[in-house]
Amino acid sequence: GEDVEQSLFLSVREGDSSVINCTYTDSSSTYLYWYKQEPGAGLQLLTYIFSNMDMKQDQRLTVLLNKKDKHLSLRIADTQTGDSAIYFCAESRNRGATNKLIFGTGTLLAVQP
Amino acid sequence: DAGITQSPRHKVTETGTPVTLRCHQTENHRYMYWYRQDPGHGLRLIHYSYGVKDTDKGEVSDGYSVSRSKTEDFLLTLESATSSQTSVYFCAISVDRENTEAFFGQGTRLTVV
Repeated sequence: GEDVEQSLFLSVREGDSSVINCTYTDSSSTYLYWYKQEPGAGLQLLTYIFSNMDMKQDQRLTVLLNKKDKHLSLRIADTQTGDSAIYFCAESRNRGATNKLIFGTGTLLAVQP
Repeated sequence: DAGITQSPRHKVTETGTPVTLRCHQTENHRYMYWYRQDPGHGLRLIHYSYGVKDTDKGEVSDGYSVSRSKTEDFLLTLESATSSQTSVYFCAISVDRENTEAFFGQGTRLTVV
């Protein structure tokens, strides 16, 4: 996961927008993903973006992709306490028989009531 | 939730003993993966399978072996457990190689003492 970088912690107030940032290294990655992990649980796929897109919106989630800078961001509008979790970005690298997900170290989002 | 279960959910074992973790799916997905999650590293791929009896190494495969004798089961074996293998292990399944619909199990917390 060292090749995909994220900030470790983000704190926001309920109702505000959250922006979680990620930088990746492999410009040939075809898909980029955002996963959410709640305490004691596995990872839940939130959304993904194909590499030829700049933006994808899905309800409260907006993903922005800057391929030139290899920068990915996840914006959560109207953040709720239930959004408190660790968020992982991941890139999909074509290696052999399958694409392999390379994960960042995760960003802990803390939502203050 | 996708039909993916891991067993056991928790295990404590002694150094030098063999350990096998099981991942069972009911989705009939072709691709299955084993990851380990450690603080500061995100998730790292150990081994993966792209079909029955078809497996390959991930980025941290040393000390681990896998087997997939049928579509629904993917076993991860630590032949001789070491303290460095204390971790949380996640199994994932995917319908395609792009991982656009990847589902994770709940994880197995393994402690090697």
